[in-house]
Amino acid sequence: GAVVSQHPSRVICKSGTSVKIECRSLDFQATTMFWYRQFPKKSLMLMATSNEGSKATYEQGVEKDKFLINHASLTLSTLTVTSAHPEDSSFYICSARLEGGGQPQHFGDGTRLSIL
Amino acid sequence: RKEVEQDPGPFNVPEGATVAFNCTYSNSASQSFFWYRQDCRKEPKLLMSVYSSGNEDGRFTAQLNRASQYISLLIRDSKLSDSATYLCVVNQNNNDMRFGAGTRLTVKP
Repeated sequence: GAVVSQHPSRVICKSGTSVKIECRSLDFQATTMFWYRQFPKKSLMLMATSNEGSKATYEQGVEKDKFLINHASLTLSTLTVTSAHPEDSSFYICSARLEGGGQPQHFGDGTRLSIL
Repeated sequence: RKEVEQDPGPFNVPEGATVAFNCTYSNSASQSFFWYRQDCRKEPKLLMSVYSSGNEDGRFTAQLNRASQYISLLIRDSKLSDSATYLCVVNQNNNDMRFGAGTRLTVKP
């Protein structure tokens, strides 16, 4: 089945650091990938839709200058949390889906980000 | 009204019990439906797709009622390992997936 890999799985860093998270589709090409964040015991919140070769589409309330998304190839999207602060600490998950109607999302392992 | 609604639970059931979750969605044009499970501090994993005619996978049965705009998940003979949060996911069009907040299930010995 479709596999999505996300790296790193865990990041602990100081406030003000920028953190890059990678999302790769391992055995399929993904023109679109999705980035979510999730707080403890809360539901997934879509942050942005990453489009290969073009700008990402951000959800309302998500700062595009804070969360930089680059989807430079059909198998790789990156999310950079710029100048991270403690309130950015969260679980970040990416997903991708095979082309064609009715296909489910496949999620990466997630990245747990802790900003001290 | 939320686009996808689920009872958050928690559902606490004994091993061997049968438990059912429902999920309602607001967009009648929704095209495809899925159930995912998410374990604590892990990513969601696809449990099963939901087809119009209903479908079964072992102890799990999913059903779709388009007229009433809800989907259901039935788990028979619950196992301890079934303890997780179950997410209802509705695909409104190809790139517009909507997630329910999840239903927490705890299966106890």
